[in-house]
Amino acid sequence: AQSVTQLGSHVSVSEGALVLLRCNYSSSVPPYLFWYVQYPNQGLQLLLKYTTGATLVKGINGFEAEFKKSETSFHLTKPSAHMSDAAEYFCAVSWAGGGNKLTFGTGTQLKVEL
Amino acid sequence: SQTIHQWPATLVQPVGSPLSLECTVEGTSNPNLYWYRQAAGRGLQLLFYSVGIGQISSEVPQNLSASRPQDRQFILSSKKLLLSDSGFYLCAWSLAGIAYEQYFGPGTRLTVT
Repeated sequence: AQSVTQLGSHVSVSEGALVLLRCNYSSSVPPYLFWYVQYPNQGLQLLLKYTTGATLVKGINGFEAEFKKSETSFHLTKPSAHMSDAAEYFCAVSWAGGGNKLTFGTGTQLKVEL
Repeated sequence: SQTIHQWPATLVQPVGSPLSLECTVEGTSNPNLYWYRQAAGRGLQLLFYSVGIGQISSEVPQNLSASRPQDRQFILSSKKLLLSDSGFYLCAWSLAGIAYEQYFGPGTRLTVT
């Protein structure tokens, strides 16, 4: 069965430092991959997605992610963290035959410190 | 542009009382609709999804039910709430198809006392 794993339920970085949030997927068919952000007591907001084509995907708020098939990964990065980036981040996957559904990872809480 | 609404934003209900949460989408036709729950400290759990009026797929057997009486309306219900039903309920929509992202509503915070 297809699944997605987010390594590290909590990540802490200093303001201005690199943000790296890890996501690995398991899929026997080509996946479609998504990153979402959730601020406290709000719904999820799409940051970026990979379907086909260019493997480096740029999203909103300066985030980007690279699809690496050989590593079955889709890690989220941002060169310089800002205090406003503090939130929970979810990786998700869908695939052909998956029934119009997304499978979400368990989330990574990002803390940004001064 | 498309908009998704959920109400109420917060709800406090006693154990054993009924529940009705409503979700509506504007600006699109025949969307796929989804209900999720986030329990405290846990990830997203897909409860129900619908690909059309009257078509409901249940992901997890539980104390809840869903209905889709109109194309862009999705309702989550319970006849008798349990303490374990507390959580943050999110509605989402997507275009039909496997590569389309889901767009989420603002959520309803339900506390069962």
